[in-house]
Amino acid sequence: GDSVTQTEGQVTVSESKSLIINCTYSTTSIAYPNLFWYVRYPGEGLQLLLKVITAGQKGSSRGFEATYNKETTSFHLQKASVQESDSAVYYCALGDPGGYKVVFGSGTRLLVSP
Amino acid sequence: EAAVTQSPRSKVAVTGGKVTLSCHQTNNHDYMYWYRQDTGHGLRLIHYSYVADSTEKGDIPDGYKASRPSQENFSLILELASLSQTAVYFCASSDGTGGANERLFFGHGTKLSVL
Repeated sequence: GDSVTQTEGQVTVSESKSLIINCTYSTTSIAYPNLFWYVRYPGEGLQLLLKVITAGQKGSSRGFEATYNKETTSFHLQKASVQESDSAVYYCALGDPGGYKVVFGSGTRLLVSP
Repeated sequence: EAAVTQSPRSKVAVTGGKVTLSCHQTNNHDYMYWYRQDTGHGLRLIHYSYVADSTEKGDIPDGYKASRPSQENFSLILELASLSQTAVYFCASSDGTGGANERLFFGHGTKLSVL
């Protein structure tokens, strides 16, 4: 079946420094999957951060970017300069375009230190 | 902004007891979902529904039942709660063909502890 791997459970970054959160995926579908990043701020539910449905394209939102790389089956999340308010849990997810299902990674907690 | 409301926000239940988690959406969405999250794991799909009065099994349905009495409401029922069902539960809704293509709107989550 489909799967999403986030290798880091927690990442700590100093404010104004750059960030990368790794995400790789695996799919048995012949169609290219849709890829998402969701974020969960403290005390809130998950919300969509960005979405890319075409391989090779980049999505961006709130200063975050992620590029859909079908060769390396990766969808890493990057930000050039993080802020304390970015502290949250980030989830990479995969959607089968032919179906209903979304598969989530285990999440990466980002702590931004002042 | 679309809204999904879960109740309760947290609950302590006894082993063997019945637990009902409720979800209400004001998005006019067809699809609703129940996920659970355990520490160190991603969200896993328990049940989903794409129309009132009908529910479908997700990836981990054992030990859970679901009910969709109306488009707005979707409940998750644990008839005989067990220790292994301690987790955070999320309800979500989406429009169109479902979350695989569309954005999922999530509730705040329900933290369930079974003792």
